[in-house]
Amino acid sequence: AQTVTQSQPEMSVQEAETVTLSCTYDTSESDYYLFWYKQPPSRQMILVIRQEAYKQQNATENRFSVNFQKAAKSFSLKISDSQLGDAAMYFCAYRLYTGTASKLTFGTGTRLQVTL
Amino acid sequence: GAVVSQHPSWVICKSGTSVKIECRSLDFQATTMFWYRQFPKQSLMLMATSNEGSKATYEQGVEKDKFLINHASLTLSTLTVTSAHPEDSSFYICSARDRRGAGNEQFFGPGTRLTVL
Repeated sequence: AQTVTQSQPEMSVQEAETVTLSCTYDTSESDYYLFWYKQPPSRQMILVIRQEAYKQQNATENRFSVNFQKAAKSFSLKISDSQLGDAAMYFCAYRLYTGTASKLTFGTGTRLQVTL
Repeated sequence: GAVVSQHPSWVICKSGTSVKIECRSLDFQATTMFWYRQFPKQSLMLMATSNEGSKATYEQGVEKDKFLINHASLTLSTLTVTSAHPEDSSFYICSARDRRGAGNEQFFGPGTRLTVL
């Protein structure tokens, strides 16, 4: 079974600084997606970034980028120029590439605080 | 972007009653919908996967007779918590997968907070 591990229950970053959230996963599959979701206090899940495992290039979305190390099964999220609105729970997630019913497996989450 | 709604956003009920939560994909057709449960300060736990027109697939440990899921159309799935008890109090989140997207994008509803007295 696939597992996703987030070893940092809480992280803190100052506004405008950069922070990296860690995620590791375990799978025997070769084709899969990896995601970072944000859950602010409203509890609405928001997709931050997605990475297809077959792509070697790391995904980027504005201030958000990932460091995808397939061999090491590592998928960290870097947030640059942190803003107060980035404060939230961040969940790393894994999903098989094929099959419309394939499930998301979530990590335990990292709570990010952004300070002035 | 694709929008998923849930109704109600919060509900309080007495122990022993049944509660129905609706999940709708507003601007796309969802091949598959998922129901999650989230306890405070914890991650999302998948309860079941439902495909339109067929029976839901429940995760291990989830009582299918207690958590009834109906996926009657490509835009609507419902979760009914039958004979609710205080331990069923939780935050329930649905998500829907857009059948058109190449990546089978999955969109989440805003959640429903259930409190059973």
